Amino acid sequence: GENVEQHPSTLSVQEGDSAVIKCTYSDSASNYFPWYKQELGKGPQLIIDIRSNVGEKKDQRIAVTLNKTAKHFSLHITETQPEDSAVYFCAARDYQLIWGAGTKLIIKP
Amino acid sequence: NAGVTQTPKFRVLKTGQSMTLLCAQDMNHEYMYWYRQDPGMGLRLIHYSVGEGTTAKGEVPDGYNVSRLKKQNFLLGLESAAPSQTSVYFCASSTYTLAGTSTDTQYFGPGTRLTVL
Repeated sequence: GENVEQHPSTLSVQEGDSAVIKCTYSDSASNYFPWYKQELGKGPQLIIDIRSNVGEKKDQRIAVTLNKTAKHFSLHITETQPEDSAVYFCAARDYQLIWGAGTKLIIKP
Repeated sequence: NAGVTQTPKFRVLKTGQSMTLLCAQDMNHEYMYWYRQDPGMGLRLIHYSVGEGTTAKGEVPDGYNVSRLKKQNFLLGLESAAPSQTSVYFCASSTYTLAGTSTDTQYFGPGTRLTVL
């Protein structure tokens, strides 16, 4: 079955700098790759997603890139702000979502 | 709309006790899911439902049972709690496409923190 690995587990960046979180997946049949943000005490919330027929997608300060050949995808956050501090999860799906272990993003003032 | 709600928010059980977690959604979604979240392991699917009266096993179903008697509610039961079931439990829901498959976005509740002593 599908396996998703996510790195790093913790990422600390200076406010205003960029942050990159990377995920790899094992099942070449996976065709949908979402990213969720989980704030303290809340459930995860979808922030951006990408399908296997697209290489990159942007939404304001957030972007996701997908490399199907290498089976990895990444989340890019530019001009980080304090409200970006949270845990971020990647996931991959062929028929069911399989989740990465999460990355705690810390924005230093 | 309240979205997805979960009760209770916190619970402490002793080994062997039973309990039921309730999930309710007011978005008229067909699909509902129960996940558990453990440190360093992300979210793991316990059971899910594709409609009223139907349930299916997920990745880690052992020790749990579920029921979907009403479209808006999805119950997760622990018949005999074990310390290994200490976790944060999340319920989620999603709607469906015209083709009958689940749409992509899952909407999550705030979670239930369960401790089994």
